[in-house]
Amino acid sequence: QVQLVQSGAEVKKPGASVKVSCKASGYTFSSYGMTWVRQAPGQGLEWMGWISGHSGKKKYAQKFQDRVIMTTDTSTSTGYMELRSLRSDDTAMYYCLRVPSPWGQGTLVTVS
Amino acid sequence: DIVMTQTPLSLSVTPGQPASMSCKSSQSLLHSDGRTYLYWYLQRPGQSPQLLIYELSSRFSGVPDRFSGSGSGTDFTLKISRVEAEDVGVYYCMQGIDLPNTFGQGTKLEIK
Repeated sequence: QVQLVQSGAEVKKPGASVKVSCKASGYTFSSYGMTWVRQAPGQGLEWMGWISGHSGKKKYAQKFQDRVIMTTDTSTSTGYMELRSLRSDDTAMYYCLRVPSPWGQGTLVTVS
Repeated sequence: DIVMTQTPLSLSVTPGQPASMSCKSSQSLLHSDGRTYLYWYLQRPGQSPQLLIYELSSRFSGVPDRFSGSGSGTDFTLKISRVEAEDVGVYYCMQGIDLPNTFGQGTKLEIK
């Protein structure tokens, strides 16, 4: 079945970077884009950006434009989201998804 | 960016009774291909969002037929014909017609 499996929880200090991975299975990775969404504790869903599965084309939310890098590795069917210059308000659950489904299980990033 | 507005923000329903929630978009979600790119998700406590309805009114695989989506253009409704205990959680609408994809604030459903 179509599935996205994300890397494990991370604890980072302010100013550091974090890189979350999302491994896809059950479909042709290069045929679909990958979207990243985050959810702060007790809050709603916030779109961070999208990357094409084959062309490398990307679109980032303006809010993260200067701090986020999204990449893919088609040889391993894996997407990556790196967020730099972390702040305490970046503490959140980070999700990958192939719109509209499925979603990954989420990766908790704690900045403290 | 397209703004998605959900109402109400919370809903308390007796098991077996119907429930209805609304989502409005600031722009039409009707694409030139004839599809309306509006999705409904349920996020149960501690879980990733799961797709209920795609393209306005199509139930995703495995979703009970007590869930239905309707509407057109900019006004959308999710209805649950008979609420069950497992329906507790937060319901989000999301537009997929343009990037950035945007979400409503969510409607929290609780059982009386």
